[in-house]
Amino acid sequence: DSGVTQTPKHLITATGQRVTLRCSPRSGDLSVYWYQQSLDQGLQFLIQYYNGEERAKGNILERFSAQQFPDLHSELNLSSLELGDSALYFCASSVVALRTGELFFGEGSRLTVL
Amino acid sequence: AQSVTQLGSHVSVSEGALVLLRCNYSSSVPPYLFWYVQYPNQGLQLLLKYTSAATLVKGINGFEAEFKKSETSFHLTKPSAHMSDAAEYFCAVSGDQGAQKLVFGQGTRLTINP
Repeated sequence: DSGVTQTPKHLITATGQRVTLRCSPRSGDLSVYWYQQSLDQGLQFLIQYYNGEERAKGNILERFSAQQFPDLHSELNLSSLELGDSALYFCASSVVALRTGELFFGEGSRLTVL
Repeated sequence: AQSVTQLGSHVSVSEGALVLLRCNYSSSVPPYLFWYVQYPNQGLQLLLKYTSAATLVKGINGFEAEFKKSETSFHLTKPSAHMSDAAEYFCAVSGDQGAQKLVFGQGTRLTINP
């Protein structure tokens, strides 16, 4: 158990809909990262937050948004969903935002768009 | 920009045989390199990391990796494979944005034959 909690574990929805994925980082971790894992794209970095502020942005679509709340949990919002958004979405956390540090990953939220 | 190439999307070895998973990197700054393992239906777990100390890095479960700057490689090895090593393995390099985003390779699925 990494200490990172993601909900829901599985989600099935229809095209055009909107979903919210939630992540609770390890106790004490200030930095939260979101990654998307799909068969064709592999593991892609989406976005990072550090202590409530956006720190780095990757290949995140404009239809997607995220935020980190004062209690440090984070939410990833996916809207106007398309079939291609079906993927496993991982949240990871770390104590600080250092290039040398380890990320701790949750078990992921599997999104299926029908 | 940072990138990682993992040679071989699937590797199959016999139980007790040497495991060798290949990773080559490209980095515009001194690299920090990581190997993560993903067991079925789980998140990613750190195996080991290179952060400019010793070039031969030992990790969990008997794995080790050697950083070779001249070859821009960070191959993962284990002398004797166990059935429990069957998983997907990801090589990653730390980003250059002053943040800790990881750039992952496409992954190598390791199968162990009895």
